[in-house]
Amino acid sequence: GDSVTQMEGPVTLSEEAFLTINCTYTATGYPSLFWYVQYPGEGLQLLLKATKADDKGSNKGFEATYRKETTSFHLEKGSVQVSDSAVYFCALRGFLLETSGSRLTFGEGTQLTVNP
Amino acid sequence: SQTIHQWPATLVQPVGSPLSLECTVEGTSNPNLYWYRQAAGRGLQLLFYSVGIGQISSEVPQNLSASRPQDRQFILSSKKLLLSDSGFYLCAWSVIGTLAGNTIYFGEGSWLTVV
Repeated sequence: GDSVTQMEGPVTLSEEAFLTINCTYTATGYPSLFWYVQYPGEGLQLLLKATKADDKGSNKGFEATYRKETTSFHLEKGSVQVSDSAVYFCALRGFLLETSGSRLTFGEGTQLTVNP
Repeated sequence: SQTIHQWPATLVQPVGSPLSLECTVEGTSNPNLYWYRQAAGRGLQLLFYSVGIGQISSEVPQNLSASRPQDRQFILSSKKLLLSDSGFYLCAWSVIGTLAGNTIYFGEGSWLTVV
């Protein structure tokens, strides 16, 4: 079945540091890939997505590129801010919706803390 | 624009008591609806999804149930809560259709503590 493996946390960085959170996946066909962010005490918000190989999703300075050859969708940001502190979830949605039920499969989440 | 509401935001319930979490979506018709649970310090687990009124698919066996009495209403229930039911419950929706790229949007979540 579909699965997502995320870099284990927690990750602690200083403000303006470079961020990478690794995400790899296992899926049949050509899934769509997503990054969601969860701020303390809140629900999940879509951060960015990519729906086909070599697509780059970007939002709020974050980027991730859909790499089918390495089955990866790593999240990057060149200069993090304190306000980026949150839990980040990588997710995929299977291409074969008849079998996946149109649902998202999530990674375990990575806690990011950015210190001033 | 579309919005999703779920309530209550927090609740503390004794073991063995019933549960009802409600979720409604506005601004769209015939959405796919989902209930996810996030246990403390862990990822998200899909509990139920629905592609239409009265159509519920369960992902994991448990003492929870879901119902969809109206097009844009999704209810998560339990007759008798267990301690292990504690967690953060998230309702979500997506537009109906076969595009895997359609985004799933989440509500604000409901914190359940079973004591």
